[in-house]
Amino acid sequence: DADVTQTPRNRITKTGKRIMLECSQTKGHDRMYWYRQDPGLGLRLIYYSFDVKDINKGEISDGYSVSRQAQAKFSLSLESAIPNQTALYFCATRKSGGADTQYFGPGTRLTVL
Amino acid sequence: SQQGEEDPQALSIQEGENATMNCSYKTSINNLQWYRQNSGRGLVHLILIRSNEREKHSGRLRVTLDTSKKSSSLLITASRAADTASYFCATQLTGGGNKLTFGTGTQLKVEL
Repeated sequence: DADVTQTPRNRITKTGKRIMLECSQTKGHDRMYWYRQDPGLGLRLIYYSFDVKDINKGEISDGYSVSRQAQAKFSLSLESAIPNQTALYFCATRKSGGADTQYFGPGTRLTVL
Repeated sequence: SQQGEEDPQALSIQEGENATMNCSYKTSINNLQWYRQNSGRGLVHLILIRSNEREKHSGRLRVTLDTSKKSSSLLITASRAADTASYFCATQLTGGGNKLTFGTGTQLKVEL
């Protein structure tokens, strides 16, 4: 079974709709991250969380919010989706105090029409 | 602008040849990491090199780091068709709160 899972894997929605992307992990890691990937731009950090009560904005947090419901779950919400939020979204985890490696989920492809 | 810029953007080689990708960055780092991404899938960590290291090997991978030039290179020796993927460098900045900043990636195609 995958250690980091994301749901849904694909989503098509309309402008103005509220969307939630979910991430779950079984690695027991305390740190979790949300990134978006656009063609030619690499990955950009949206939000990150060092623990359940610790949420931090990343490079491009405007238009997004997150919730860390438990150590194993980190959700990303788009309150009112817009077309330029069409992208591939990745969740990642890392264990503090361990190697600096991040472990990525399979991604969610979101299309906003 | 991106902290990491990769060069070339795309690379096409024959199976058995070596592939070299370069990454340049702008500010002081704790470490630099290389990740691989197969089309449309999540990133997979390949190798990490710390700022006080100059070279590191892992199987067919060789990474070098030149902090004076703020650059790194990833060499894949004896490439295989299965190496076809995008490769990203990611830097963990000094005092950056353990966040990673990713480069724009190199698309490698290995042809039979």
